Amino acid sequence: GAGVSQSPRYKVAKRGQDVALRCDPISGHVSLFWYQQALGQGPEFLTYFQNEAQLDKSGLPSDRFFAERPEGSVSTLKIQRTQQEDSAVYLCASSLVGTGYETQYFGPGTRLLVL
Amino acid sequence: GQNIDQPTEMTATEGAIVQINCTYQTSGFNGLFWYQQHAGEAPTFLSYNVLDGLEEKGRFSSFLSRSKGYSYLLLKELQMKDSASYLCAVRDSNYQLIWGAGTKLIIKP
Repeated sequence: GAGVSQSPRYKVAKRGQDVALRCDPISGHVSLFWYQQALGQGPEFLTYFQNEAQLDKSGLPSDRFFAERPEGSVSTLKIQRTQQEDSAVYLCASSLVGTGYETQYFGPGTRLLVL
Repeated sequence: GQNIDQPTEMTATEGAIVQINCTYQTSGFNGLFWYQQHAGEAPTFLSYNVLDGLEEKGRFSSFLSRSKGYSYLLLKELQMKDSASYLCAVRDSNYQLIWGAGTKLIIKP
């Protein structure tokens, strides 16, 4: 596709509900990143994939957060038993190769509200 | 710890010039990025500096001094559509992007 796409754009969940957020990176991009952005703040790193391998998950805030990219393209971020503090925008970004020097291109984000 | 500092908010007039500063302290340095983010939208790439000096790209320029841990983004001939948040991010020794909180730029007619 022309850019990174994410779905859903908006998600309202009841506390305790599980949610799944999808990211479609730019076709051919090797690296994929997930970030969490609170209102008025910069993005905070969650996790990083190179193809299907999750190379860094140091930013995941708890074991309720899980991400996968089984075929090296589409990725899903899953949050189990959502809490109110999980409310944020979840951004996905991709870059062409995995050397670490490339520009990251962002999707529009999924705005999650946990009630 | 790692830290990126930039002003929270700035106001400028349409047609004028504005400079947004960013200072950083990170574990290692592998380049500095500036992104623009309109409210409710994705950050979009503006510039990348890895060597000292000024990079010019149309109305936007970005400057880096690695010895001072300092960068600025210069916007000329401001337009109303430039109203947005401007995010400074540094790639550290682990190739992770460390982000500032962003500077909200308000353009007045």
